[in-house]
Amino acid sequence: LAKTTQPISMDSYEGQEVNITCSHNNIATNDYITWYQQFPSQGPRFIIQGYKTKVTNEVASLFIPADRKSSTLSLPRVSLSDTAVYYCLVGEDGGATNKLIFGTGTLLAVQP
Amino acid sequence: EPEVTQTPSHQVTQMGQEVILRCVPISNHLYFYWYRQILGQKVEFLVSFYNNEISEKSEIFDDQFSVERPDGSNFTLKIRSTKLEDSAMYFCASTVRRGTNEQYFGPGTRLTVT
Repeated sequence: LAKTTQPISMDSYEGQEVNITCSHNNIATNDYITWYQQFPSQGPRFIIQGYKTKVTNEVASLFIPADRKSSTLSLPRVSLSDTAVYYCLVGEDGGATNKLIFGTGTLLAVQP
Repeated sequence: EPEVTQTPSHQVTQMGQEVILRCVPISNHLYFYWYRQILGQKVEFLVSFYNNEISEKSEIFDDQFSVERPDGSNFTLKIRSTKLEDSAMYFCASTVRRGTNEQYFGPGTRLTVT
């Protein structure tokens, strides 16, 4: 399984765009990049998944360069309620294994 | 929007006691999971379950743990003889598609073993 590296924490202010980068140098050909969000005392919540280039949904954008060795989760105009831990996961989608492997994530603190 | 639900939200038990944590997965989902998160630590996979049998389990999921789908809606995690180190948040998750990374998590049960 590819190992991921993210910043331990980030600070931002309301209204700013936040970019969280994840490094995954050993990503395999069949691996996808998936991001989850977790609020305190709640279960993780799926945000977005991509394989290459750019993916956008109503919550976030995910940028993946051609070499796929890193990815950037972009949150537009964050609010206080975006304060959470964000996890980058790398693994097959629809493959034989079902488990998600979480790292320590990035604690995003949004201030007024 | 359909949700995974879990009961109870908080369970306090004494060491050595049996506990059963309950989950109701999303109704059309077929694959079920348990994870745990010790306070301040990572979310850890425990077990996955499909078609009334365990698909995969981690080293944490030893003989003290068992899972069951007793009826068409509930999915349970039993810990036979709790230990202090079992204190954690336990999350149930479900998916409709095999092996997908998009799993739907419940709100968790906080288990406190004293």
